[in-house]
Parts: sequence; structure tokens; C-alpha cells
Amino acid sequence: GQQVMQIPQYQHVQEGEDFTTYCNSSTTLSNIQWYKQRPGGHPVFLIQLVKSGEVKKQKRLTFQFGEAKKNSSLHITATQTTDVGTYFCAGQSAGGTSYGKLTFGQGTILTVHP
Amino acid sequence: DVKVTQSSRYLVKRTGEKVFLECVQDMDHENMFWYRQDPGLGLRLIYFSYDVKMKEKGDIPEGYSVSREKKERFSLILESASTNQTSMYLCASSLYWAGAYEQYFGPGTRLTVT
Repeated sequence: GQQVMQIPQYQHVQEGEDFTTYCNSSTTLSNIQWYKQRPGGHPVFLIQLVKSGEVKKQKRLTFQFGEAKKNSSLHITATQTTDVGTYFCAGQSAGGTSYGKLTFGQGTILTVHP
Repeated sequence: DVKVTQSSRYLVKRTGEKVFLECVQDMDHENMFWYRQDPGLGLRLIYFSYDVKMKEKGDIPEGYSVSREKKERFSLILESASTNQTSMYLCASSLYWAGAYEQYFGPGTRLTVT
């Protein structure tokens, strides 16, 4: 079945440093989504990428979808303590009827030291 | 605002008990999902439903069943709880827009089986 690998599993940064997490799928994706889960909370949708090579920005966050639609990255510039949490990528397989079924990566736990 | 609610935040059950986890969404979404979340493993899909009385197995359905008698309600059933089912259980519903299905999560139920 489809697998989505996400690295790194943990990332500790000083406030103001940049952070990147990477996602790689074993199969071609229809789209990829990113979610953030704050400590003690539930995953919350951040963004979705649908087009090959797509790049989207949300303030200090930059999301990329690879040309082959098999990988993606999330980059945070100048991290803040409010960025703390676990970031998940989630891919929807291309082709067929999936009813929106997503395969989640393992997540990257980000801690930010003030 | 989409709201997904789960019947309990914390639940403690004994081995062999039958356990019901309830999820309700208020946005008329077609698709609903049950995941379990374990450290280092991300979110793993147990079952999903794309319509009333329609269901499909996810990646880890063993030991679980589901019921969807009404569109807004999706129940997860542990027929005979075991200690390896101790986990955080997350319910989600999804909405299709802009080429992808965005998922909305409930607050989660932390189940402990002793």
C-alpha cells in the first residue's frame, strides 16, 4: 500500500532559526496536505497542494510540492515559540476513487527554545 | 465553523470489554474517518465511511468495527478491548474543495485498556 515517509522525526531549534520538514511518498499523489497539531490538541489543516511544482506561502511558512508529485516540504523561516507542535504531511493517492482517504506521515515534532 | 465532537476525552476500560467511541459532525460531510495516533507512528487509518451504512477498511482494521447509521454520526467499536488498543483515537470528517479533501478533526479520545 501507499506509504508516506516524513523526516526528521524531531527537530529542536533556537527561536529565530529556520526549520524544514520533508515528506516522501512511495506512489504518485493527487494532492498533499499539511496539518499542525499543537501539544495536547488535534491536527488542524494548514494547506493543500494540488499542482505539480506548486509553491504556496503563509506568512513565514513555505510549502512545496515536487514536480513528480511524490514529495513535499514545509519550511518555516525565523521560528517563533508559537510554531511549537507536530507537523504532519498527508497524501491522497492519485487515480481511482479514494473518498478523500489520506495517508499521513509520521510527523515532525518541533520544539523551539526561546 | 465545522465542529467534530467525540463522546469522551478520556476513557479507561478493562481487557475484554466492548468499547464504543462516538463521533458527531455538524457540517453534512459525506466522508468520515477513524484514526489512532501513537508516538512515532503518526496517524493510522482504521476505517472510513463515504456514506450512510457504507464503510471501508483502512490500514489497521483488525480488532475494530464501525457503524454509520446517520450521516452525522460515525461510531468506532472495539469488540473485545485489548491492552495494545491503548491509544489516542481521532475522528475526522472531510470536505471537498479546490481539488482536495480537507479533513476536520475532533478533539480525540485517549483510551486506556487495563
